Amino acid sequence: NAGVMQNPRHLVRRRGQEARLRCSPMKGHSHVYWYRQLPEEGLKFMVYLQKENIIDESGMPKERFSAEFPKEGPSILRIQQVVRGDSAAYFCASSDRDSGGEKLFFGSGTQLSVL
Amino acid sequence: SQQGEEDPQALSIQEGENATMNCSYKTSINNLQWYRQNSGRGLVHLILIRSNEREKHSGRLRVTLDTSKKSSSLLITASRAADTASYFCATDAFYFGSGTKLNVKP
Repeated sequence: NAGVMQNPRHLVRRRGQEARLRCSPMKGHSHVYWYRQLPEEGLKFMVYLQKENIIDESGMPKERFSAEFPKEGPSILRIQQVVRGDSAAYFCASSDRDSGGEKLFFGSGTQLSVL
Repeated sequence: SQQGEEDPQALSIQEGENATMNCSYKTSINNLQWYRQNSGRGLVHLILIRSNEREKHSGRLRVTLDTSKKSSSLLITASRAADTASYFCATDAFYFGSGTKLNVKP
């Protein structure tokens, strides 16, 4: 019973390129959350998705950032035309809210470095 | 914003001592959760307390919640070097504070 899987673990991009971060939730979980963390800071909520739906994207920048959680396959956080300020650790979490589970299970994160 | 805010930002204690961290938040909540993060890793859930609960225990952890003051505290008793980590509170699982960095010296 694998936990939340994120890949890649490290991603290096040059300014202007696209970054695609993947998250496979725990088996049976249909709720996914994305967070961003800068060094020595807390997690900043970005987006909450349920299968094929975006429930809350209030924490996600309006431009360049998008997220999806298709019926089949992992959730994807996509950052277009990356800038140096996008460098951060991006964490994904999943929960089993459909069954009343409120606990979040986190992946190990993707460290994005923009050169 | 419902974001929780922890204090102190950093705490350094000797092994065996107790560590207390506090969390304040701004609006009404359904539950408050505490998480732990080891350096560079994902967060691990520690304990959840619902808005109608005042205190909860789990092993060496004790959490209190005061909804009238919109605050919670996490007490780790008989701390160990392995407890060294950052601790975060989260309101309704969405909004995390900036964390308390705990250093337990052996």
